[in-house]
Amino acid sequence: GAVVSQHPSRVICKSGTSVKIECRSLDFQATTMFWYRQFPKQSLMLMATSNEGSKATYEQGVEKDKFLINHASLTLSTLTVTSAHPEDSSFYICSARRPTSGGDETQYFGPGTRLLVL
Amino acid sequence: SQKIEQNSEALNIQEGKTATLTCNYTNYSPAYLQWYRQDPGRGPVFLLLIRENEKEKRKERLKVTFDTTLKQSLFHITASQPADSATYLCALASDYKLSFGAGTTVTVRA
Repeated sequence: GAVVSQHPSRVICKSGTSVKIECRSLDFQATTMFWYRQFPKQSLMLMATSNEGSKATYEQGVEKDKFLINHASLTLSTLTVTSAHPEDSSFYICSARRPTSGGDETQYFGPGTRLLVL
Repeated sequence: SQKIEQNSEALNIQEGKTATLTCNYTNYSPAYLQWYRQDPGRGPVFLLLIRENEKEKRKERLKVTFDTTLKQSLFHITASQPADSATYLCALASDYKLSFGAGTTVTVRA
């Protein structure tokens, strides 16, 4: 199966600092990756779509200047939470889009990054 | 407004029984629907995809149905095992984006 990794798996930072999260597709090339956020006992909420070589597309209500996305290669997308505040504490999950054998496409998810801002 | 509802927040069943989970949606026209498994503190793991023109799909002990008239998908785990205990998410695909339900947490008792 497709493998997507994330680093770090857990990060604790002070309020006001920036945190970078990496998402890598290990065994396939992904022109499109997605970033989600999940609060406890809630659904995954799509934050942005990351396209290789172009600007990310942000969902309504997500601040693009706060959540910087870079998709510099076909296997790597990064999410930087700038000037983090306690309310940014959450579980951040990336996914990479890959065609299935049936011709559809599905998303394969990374293991997630737990961010705690003190 | 668009809504995805999964039948219950939690489902407790005895080992060996069949778990049936429901996913209902409104104001969506998904090209396909997917089911994922999520364990605590982990990312979702893809299980099954069913297209809008398919009625049923199976994979080992899993079965998914998709009724676009009722706007509903049913997800069955047959001969359930304690290792099946997890949260199961349905996701609707539209324009390559996925919209997720809140999930149903299944606990299988030995």
